[in-house]
Amino acid sequence: AQSVTQLDSQVPVFEEAPVELRCNYSSSVSVYLFWYVQYPNQGLQLLLKYLSGSTLVESINGFEAEFNKSQTSFHLRKPSVHISDTAEYFCAVSDGSSNTGKLIFGQGTTLQVKP
Amino acid sequence: DGGITQSPKYLFRKEGQNVTLSCEQNLNHDAMYWYRQDPGQGLRLIYYSQIVNDFQKGDIAEGYSVSREKKESFPLTVTSAQKNPTAFYLCASSIEGSTYNEQFFGPGTRLTVL
Repeated sequence: AQSVTQLDSQVPVFEEAPVELRCNYSSSVSVYLFWYVQYPNQGLQLLLKYLSGSTLVESINGFEAEFNKSQTSFHLRKPSVHISDTAEYFCAVSDGSSNTGKLIFGQGTTLQVKP
Repeated sequence: DGGITQSPKYLFRKEGQNVTLSCEQNLNHDAMYWYRQDPGQGLRLIYYSQIVNDFQKGDIAEGYSVSREKKESFPLTVTSAQKNPTAFYLCASSIEGSTYNEQFFGPGTRLTVL
């Protein structure tokens, strides 16, 4: 069965510093990959997704993630974080060979941006 | 505005009681999902529905039940058989139940058992 591992439960970082949130998934023939963000006591919002094509995908607020098939990873990066980026981030994977729309989520990484 | 609404935002339940969480969407999406979120465990799928009058169990369906009588509504009942129901419950929907479609999430309901 597909699984997702987010290697860090918490990532503290100072404002304007770069950050990387790590995500690894178990191998599959084809996968679709997503990063969602959750602000306190709210639902999840899609940050970015990889379906096919270029392995580097970007969001409108400066985040990017790179699909690495050989390492089965989809790490999220931002070159300079803001206080407003403080939130919980979830990596999710769907199995491209199924047709259920099911997403498998990682455990989440809390990004704490300090002034 | 199109979106997903969940009610109530906070819900308190006594042990042995059944409670129903509401989820409504006006996005005209075919597929709907219920997740449970616990600290440090991410989201786990309870039930999902790809079309009206049809639904399937997810990974942790025991102690829960759902119905999908209307396209826009997918209520979740937490029964007394659910041994540890205190959690944050999230409802989501997507255009269709395909693996590449983005899921849109509601604001969540926090359930506490007293």
